[in-house]
Amino acid sequence: DVKVTQSSRYLVKRTGEKVFLECVQDMDHENMFWYRQDPGLGLRLIYFSYDVKMKEKGDIPEGYSVSREKKERFSLILESASTNQTSMYLCASSSVGGGAAYNEQFFGPGTRLTVL
Amino acid sequence: AQKVTQAQTEISVVEKEDVTLDCVYETRDTTYYLFWYKQPPSGELVFLIRRNSFDEQNEISGRYSWNFQKSTSSFNFTITASQVVDSAVYFCAHQTSGTYKYIFGTGTRLKVLA
Repeated sequence: DVKVTQSSRYLVKRTGEKVFLECVQDMDHENMFWYRQDPGLGLRLIYFSYDVKMKEKGDIPEGYSVSREKKERFSLILESASTNQTSMYLCASSSVGGGAAYNEQFFGPGTRLTVL
Repeated sequence: AQKVTQAQTEISVVEKEDVTLDCVYETRDTTYYLFWYKQPPSGELVFLIRRNSFDEQNEISGRYSWNFQKSTSSFNFTITASQVVDSAVYFCAHQTSGTYKYIFGTGTRLKVLA
Protein backbone atom coordinates (compact mmCIF):
# COMPACT_ATOMS: atom_id res chain seq x y z
CA ASP A 1 0.00 0.00 0.00
CA VAL A 2 1.05 3.55 -0.67
CA LYS A 3 1.96 5.29 2.51
CA VAL A 4 2.10 9.04 2.85
CA THR A 5 2.96 10.27 6.31
CA GLN A 6 2.96 13.76 7.76
CA SER A 7 5.07 14.76 10.70
CA SER A 8 2.30 16.10 12.93
CA ARG A 9 -1.46 15.62 13.14
CA TYR A 10 -1.95 18.78 15.17
CA LEU A 11 0.26 21.83 15.48
CA VAL A 12 -0.18 25.11 17.33
CA LYS A 13 2.10 28.03 16.49
CA ARG A 14 2.26 31.73 17.19
CA THR A 15 1.99 34.52 14.67
CA GLY A 16 5.36 35.26 13.10
CA GLU A 17 6.89 31.86 13.79
CA LYS A 18 8.55 29.88 11.03
CA VAL A 19 6.69 26.62 10.57
CA PHE A 20 7.83 23.42 8.88
CA LEU A 21 5.39 20.74 7.77
CA GLU A 22 7.02 17.52 6.67
CA CYS A 23 5.70 14.86 4.33
CA VAL A 24 7.24 11.51 3.46
CA GLN A 25 6.05 8.92 0.94
CA ASP A 26 7.39 5.41 0.66
CA MET A 27 6.37 4.43 -2.87
CA ASP A 28 9.08 6.15 -4.86
CA HIS A 29 6.55 8.56 -6.41
CA GLU A 30 7.90 11.30 -8.62
CA ASN A 31 5.16 13.83 -7.90
CA MET A 32 4.33 15.39 -4.55
CA PHE A 33 1.77 18.01 -3.60
CA TRP A 34 0.76 20.30 -0.78
CA TYR A 35 -2.87 21.35 -0.37
CA ARG A 36 -4.80 23.27 2.20
CA GLN A 37 -8.35 22.38 3.03
CA ASP A 38 -10.84 24.92 4.35
CA PRO A 39 -14.57 24.52 4.98
CA GLY A 40 -16.63 25.45 1.95
CA LEU A 41 -13.56 25.80 -0.26
CA GLY A 42 -12.53 22.19 -0.77
CA LEU A 43 -8.86 21.51 -1.41
CA ARG A 44 -6.61 24.12 -2.95
CA LEU A 45 -3.16 23.42 -4.29
CA ILE A 46 -0.30 25.34 -2.70
CA TYR A 47 2.74 23.80 -4.41
CA PHE A 48 3.65 20.86 -6.58
CA SER A 49 6.98 19.11 -7.09
CA TYR A 50 7.70 16.74 -9.96
CA ASP A 51 11.28 15.90 -9.06
CA VAL A 52 13.97 16.58 -6.50
CA LYS A 53 14.60 20.32 -6.25
CA MET A 54 11.86 21.01 -8.80
CA LYS A 55 8.67 22.82 -7.88
CA GLU A 56 5.78 24.73 -9.33
CA LYS A 57 3.41 27.16 -7.71
CA GLY A 58 -0.15 26.09 -7.28
CA ASP A 59 -3.21 28.25 -6.87
CA ILE A 60 -2.37 29.81 -3.49
CA PRO A 61 1.43 29.90 -3.00
CA GLU A 62 1.57 33.28 -1.26
CA GLY A 63 3.07 33.03 2.22
CA TYR A 64 4.44 29.53 1.60
CA SER A 65 7.60 27.96 0.26
CA VAL A 66 8.62 24.34 -0.26
CA SER A 67 11.69 22.18 -0.26
CA ARG A 68 12.36 18.84 -1.87
CA GLU A 69 15.92 17.68 -1.27
CA LYS A 70 15.11 13.97 -1.43
CA LYS A 71 12.61 12.17 -3.61
CA GLU A 72 10.59 10.83 -0.73
CA ARG A 73 10.34 14.02 1.29
CA PHE A 74 8.48 17.25 0.57
CA SER A 75 8.42 20.07 3.10
CA LEU A 76 6.06 23.00 3.33
CA ILE A 77 7.41 26.12 5.00
CA LEU A 78 5.47 29.02 6.40
CA GLU A 79 8.11 31.72 6.63
CA SER A 80 6.14 33.88 9.05
CA ALA A 81 2.92 32.23 10.14
CA SER A 82 -0.24 34.31 10.19
CA THR A 83 -3.68 33.60 11.62
CA ASN A 84 -5.17 33.25 8.13
CA GLN A 85 -2.94 30.25 7.60
CA THR A 86 -4.85 28.31 10.22
CA SER A 87 -6.07 25.35 8.22
CA MET A 88 -5.80 21.64 7.48
CA TYR A 89 -2.75 20.87 5.34
CA LEU A 90 -2.72 17.75 3.21
CA CYS A 91 0.22 16.21 1.42
CA ALA A 92 -0.19 13.89 -1.56
CA SER A 93 1.95 11.94 -3.98
CA SER A 94 1.45 10.32 -7.35
CA SER A 95 3.43 8.22 -9.75
CA VAL A 96 4.40 8.54 -13.38
CA GLY A 97 3.74 5.52 -15.51
CA GLY A 98 1.25 3.41 -17.38
CA GLY A 99 1.21 5.98 -20.15
CA ALA A 100 0.28 8.77 -17.77
CA ALA A 101 2.44 11.55 -16.46
CA TYR A 102 0.17 12.03 -13.47
CA ASN A 103 -1.64 9.09 -11.97
CA GLU A 104 -4.08 9.23 -9.08
CA GLN A 105 -2.93 11.03 -5.98
CA PHE A 106 -2.56 9.38 -2.60
CA PHE A 107 -2.96 11.51 0.47
CA GLY A 108 -1.50 11.69 3.94
CA PRO A 109 -3.62 12.07 7.10
CA GLY A 110 -3.26 15.84 7.23
CA THR A 111 -1.85 18.34 9.70
CA ARG A 112 -4.29 20.64 11.43
CA LEU A 113 -2.38 23.86 12.01
CA THR A 114 -3.60 26.56 14.34
CA VAL A 115 -1.83 29.92 14.33
CA LEU A 116 -2.55 32.06 17.38
CA ALA B 1 -11.88 26.95 -16.76
CA GLN B 2 -12.78 23.68 -15.14
CA LYS B 3 -15.21 23.60 -12.27
CA VAL B 4 -16.63 20.86 -10.08
CA THR B 5 -19.89 21.36 -8.21
CA GLN B 6 -21.12 19.23 -5.35
CA ALA B 7 -24.38 20.94 -4.53
CA GLN B 8 -25.19 18.73 -1.55
CA THR B 9 -23.32 20.12 1.43
CA GLU B 10 -24.56 17.53 3.89
CA ILE B 11 -26.76 14.44 3.67
CA SER B 12 -28.11 12.35 6.52
CA VAL B 13 -29.52 8.88 5.99
CA VAL B 14 -30.49 5.98 8.18
CA GLU B 15 -28.40 2.85 7.98
CA LYS B 16 -29.31 0.52 5.10
CA GLU B 17 -30.76 3.31 3.01
CA ASP B 18 -29.34 3.94 -0.46
CA VAL B 19 -27.81 7.36 -1.02
CA THR B 20 -26.56 9.18 -4.13
CA LEU B 21 -23.93 11.90 -4.03
CA ASP B 22 -24.06 14.28 -6.95
CA CYS B 23 -21.13 15.67 -8.90
CA VAL B 24 -21.46 18.04 -11.84
CA TYR B 25 -18.43 19.31 -13.70
CA GLU B 26 -17.64 21.93 -16.30
CA THR B 27 -14.79 21.47 -18.73
CA ARG B 28 -13.75 22.25 -22.28
CA ASP B 29 -11.24 19.42 -22.26
CA THR B 30 -11.81 16.46 -24.54
CA THR B 31 -9.65 14.17 -22.45
CA TYR B 32 -9.89 14.26 -18.70
CA TYR B 33 -10.27 12.16 -15.58
CA LEU B 34 -12.86 12.27 -12.84
CA PHE B 35 -12.27 11.03 -9.32
CA TRP B 36 -14.04 10.32 -6.10
CA TYR B 37 -12.25 10.43 -2.75
CA LYS B 38 -13.53 9.63 0.72
CA GLN B 39 -12.32 11.57 3.77
CA PRO B 40 -13.26 9.78 7.00
CA PRO B 41 -12.93 11.54 10.38
CA SER B 42 -9.28 10.44 10.52
CA GLY B 43 -8.60 13.06 7.84
CA GLU B 44 -6.84 11.08 5.15
CA LEU B 45 -8.40 11.24 1.68
CA VAL B 46 -8.92 7.73 0.39
CA PHE B 47 -8.95 7.19 -3.36
CA LEU B 48 -12.14 5.45 -4.54
CA ILE B 49 -12.23 5.65 -8.32
CA ARG B 50 -10.76 7.28 -11.42
CA ARG B 51 -12.78 7.45 -14.60
CA ASN B 52 -11.43 8.36 -18.05
CA SER B 53 -13.58 10.73 -20.11
CA PHE B 54 -13.74 8.19 -22.92
CA ASP B 55 -15.17 5.50 -20.70
CA GLU B 56 -18.81 6.12 -19.86
CA GLN B 57 -19.50 2.66 -18.57
CA ASN B 58 -20.96 2.59 -15.11
CA GLU B 59 -18.87 0.91 -12.48
CA ILE B 60 -19.82 -1.14 -9.47
CA SER B 61 -17.56 -2.09 -6.60
CA GLY B 62 -19.38 -3.87 -3.82
CA ARG B 63 -21.90 -1.43 -2.36
CA TYR B 64 -20.45 1.45 -4.36
CA SER B 65 -21.48 2.38 -7.87
CA TRP B 66 -20.71 5.29 -10.15
CA ASN B 67 -22.77 6.74 -12.97
CA PHE B 68 -20.83 8.81 -15.50
CA GLN B 69 -22.91 10.74 -18.06
CA LYS B 70 -21.08 13.11 -20.38
CA SER B 71 -24.38 14.39 -21.78
CA THR B 72 -25.20 15.95 -18.42
CA SER B 73 -21.59 16.41 -17.25
CA SER B 74 -22.28 14.37 -14.17
CA PHE B 75 -20.39 11.71 -12.27
CA ASN B 76 -22.66 10.57 -9.47
CA PHE B 77 -21.79 8.16 -6.70
CA THR B 78 -24.29 5.80 -5.10
CA ILE B 79 -23.85 3.83 -1.90
CA THR B 80 -26.25 0.95 -1.57
CA ALA B 81 -27.35 -0.22 1.86
CA SER B 82 -25.36 2.45 3.63
CA GLN B 83 -23.46 1.68 6.81
CA VAL B 84 -22.26 3.84 9.68
CA VAL B 85 -18.69 3.38 8.44
CA ASP B 86 -19.66 5.21 5.26
CA SER B 87 -19.94 8.42 7.26
CA ALA B 88 -17.36 10.75 5.79
CA VAL B 89 -16.83 13.72 3.52
CA TYR B 90 -16.77 12.74 -0.13
CA PHE B 91 -14.95 14.76 -2.75
CA CYS B 92 -15.33 14.71 -6.50
CA ALA B 93 -12.42 15.99 -8.60
CA HIS B 94 -11.53 16.70 -12.24
CA GLN B 95 -8.09 16.38 -13.81
CA THR B 96 -7.20 17.45 -17.33
CA SER B 97 -5.27 14.64 -19.01
CA GLY B 98 -1.56 15.32 -19.11
CA THR B 99 -1.65 17.79 -16.23
CA TYR B 100 -1.14 17.30 -12.54
CA LYS B 101 -3.82 19.67 -11.44
CA TYR B 102 -6.96 18.47 -9.69
CA ILE B 103 -10.01 20.68 -9.42
CA PHE B 104 -11.91 19.57 -6.34
CA GLY B 105 -15.52 20.08 -5.48
CA THR B 106 -16.32 21.45 -2.04
CA GLY B 107 -17.30 18.03 -0.74
CA THR B 108 -20.46 16.38 0.58
CA ARG B 109 -20.62 15.34 4.21
CA LEU B 110 -22.52 12.06 4.55
CA LYS B 111 -23.87 11.05 7.93
CA VAL B 112 -25.21 7.54 8.27
CA LEU B 113 -27.24 7.10 11.42
CA ALA B 114 -27.57 3.77 13.17
